[in-house]
Amino acid sequence: EVQLVESGGGSVQPGGSLRLSCAASGFTFSPYFMHWVRQAPGRGLVWLSRISDDAEGSHTTYADYVRGRFTVSRDNTMLYLQMNSLRADDTGVYYCARGRGSTTSSNFFDYWGQGALVTVSS
Amino acid sequence: DIQMTQSPSTLSASVGDRVTITCRASQTISGWLAWYQQKPGKAPKLLIYMASSLESGVPSRFSGSGSGTEFTLTISSLQPDDFATYYCQQYDSFALTFGGGTKVEIK
Repeated sequence: EVQLVESGGGSVQPGGSLRLSCAASGFTFSPYFMHWVRQAPGRGLVWLSRISDDAEGSHTTYADYVRGRFTVSRDNTMLYLQMNSLRADDTGVYYCARGRGSTTSSNFFDYWGQGALVTVSS
Repeated sequence: DIQMTQSPSTLSASVGDRVTITCRASQTISGWLAWYQQKPGKAPKLLIYMASSLESGVPSRFSGSGSGTEFTLTISSLQPDDFATYYCQQYDSFALTFGGGTKVEIK
């Protein structure tokens, strides 16, 4: 059974940093693109970042609103999101999600984690 | 970035109703569109990909259609388990974007 389990959420002050982790199991991790998606309280889904499969050298892509502040990485069966210079509008539930495959035509999400809540507040 | 606009934002319907949700893209995305269902406090669930391909295990009352800039998600006969929020997502561009969501409520 495919499982994605996020950890590392919590409360942080504006300007602070936090690192989220996502543990993958039940599938061979390396060939899949992996993504981070955020959902602010009571709001819709927002894609944040993507990291390609290991064979492509783990190429990364970011949404404009997090580029330069957030860094996605992966190793073995773990996905990470390093978040720096956090702002109040970064508050929300952060999901890791698996892309269907390892091509850009597979950039939709077939499995999701349960989410990790990040609260940025003074 | 490609903007995705869903309508309506809220929909009130009864069990057994046929329900249609529309998603419009700000530029053509061919058929690179997915639909998700999300229930309160839960992660989204993939329903449809490539505009009209039904994900394995998803009931056949769900269907998707469209291409270019206009897409629809149809639930042929609404069931109690279907009251949820639905999102479309384009994956034509590297910057992936979602629609704002459509909440399907009990009438």
